[in-house]
Amino acid sequence: DVKVTQSSRYLVKRTGEKVFLECVQDMDHENMFWYRQDPGLGLRLIYFSYDVKMKEKGDIPEGYSVSREKKERFSLILESASTNQTSMYLCASRYTRQPQHFGDGTRLSIL
Amino acid sequence: QKEVEQDPGPLSVPEGAIVSLNCTYSNSAFQYFMWYRQYSRKGPELLMYTYSSGNKEDGRFTAQVDKSSKYISLFIRDSQPSDSATYLCAMSAGHDYKLSFGAGTTVTVRA
Repeated sequence: DVKVTQSSRYLVKRTGEKVFLECVQDMDHENMFWYRQDPGLGLRLIYFSYDVKMKEKGDIPEGYSVSREKKERFSLILESASTNQTSMYLCASRYTRQPQHFGDGTRLSIL
Repeated sequence: QKEVEQDPGPLSVPEGAIVSLNCTYSNSAFQYFMWYRQYSRKGPELLMYTYSSGNKEDGRFTAQVDKSSKYISLFIRDSQPSDSATYLCAMSAGHDYKLSFGAGTTVTVRA
């Protein structure tokens, strides 16, 4: 079974803080993705990575950055957290040209 | 207008009923179609994955794609309380293209 693990299920941070969300997959997947999920809006792609040290902007990259130094790990960074970044964050991974598999998400609250 | 439209429901049905879910889309380039199931406080899990038009059956689940009408459906036969979840449709123009998601339909199956 594919295992995509997100380091925190719930996180509370303050505005202006730098926030790190971590994702690890154990299937040697080439591609990894970060989404946010908001009611009524569905999943929106923030960033994705086709391979180690590669990254591409998704639909809503503003205010975020990513890091992929190792194949199994993909980090999402909120450079200076703001209240409009309160959301559910989902990480996904896949083999190239295969469906994506998701982690259980991190519910992030910015106060 | 959203690229993928999905009625958010909620949908409540008695145990044993047939659940019918659908999505419409505007991008005629979409050719890969997926249905994900998301339980409360969990990440989406892949249910069905289809290519182009036609039907695909997997146990109690049937996915239908009508590209001429830009319409996809998921049917759940003999529904069970354990089918209570949010169902997300997703689609892409190609294997290496990003996924576009519907907002999700929340389903409750009453015992």
